[in-house]
Amino acid sequence: GQNIDQPTEMTATEGAIVQINCTYQTSGFNGLFWYQQHAGEAPTFLSYNVLDGLEEKGRFSSFLSRSKGYSYLLLKELQMKDSASYLCAVRDSNYQLIWGAGTKLIIKP
Amino acid sequence: GAVVSQHPSWVICKSGTSVKIECRSLDFQATTMFWYRQFPKQSLMLMATSNEGSKATYEQGVEKDKFLINHASLTLSTLTVTSAHPEDSSFYICSPRGLGGSEQFFGPGTRLTVL
Repeated sequence: GQNIDQPTEMTATEGAIVQINCTYQTSGFNGLFWYQQHAGEAPTFLSYNVLDGLEEKGRFSSFLSRSKGYSYLLLKELQMKDSASYLCAVRDSNYQLIWGAGTKLIIKP
Repeated sequence: GAVVSQHPSWVICKSGTSVKIECRSLDFQATTMFWYRQFPKQSLMLMATSNEGSKATYEQGVEKDKFLINHASLTLSTLTVTSAHPEDSSFYICSPRGLGGSEQFFGPGTRLTVL
């Protein structure tokens, strides 16, 4: 079956760095997405990786290793507003998104 | 990113009534539309996929006669929840994708509460 694993919850301190990991097993691979979702709101797009390596976008970076079925989202200089759920999703061979359950990130002052 | 709107943003209705949710992609052509629902503290669940001008493909366990999807144009798709019941109360989110698009965007969602 298809499976996306990410930690349920993480806690970090304002101003620090946090890495959220995601491992996947899917039928085919056509890209990996990271989304941010605040409570009661729809997800917002953060990053897209289809080739191995690191993609940097401001305070957020995303890394992909297709051979290991592994990705991480790195958040630097954490701010209180970064408290949210972070969803990892993989697009499979049918071009459908397979979703992880999300990682709830709690930022403490 | 793309601009996607959903209307209404929230709706409360009585059991047995039907509710229509509109999703518009304002600045690109959505050749494919995904409809998701999300129950509290759960991940998104794909309900159906539709291509413009074609019938929607429903995920297992989603009743096609209950959740009517229309994707008649490249900028508008609608989801109608027919004869809604309290268990249909959820957060419904549309997600359009353009032809060959690598990114997949989301509408702001519609919170449906059925009394």
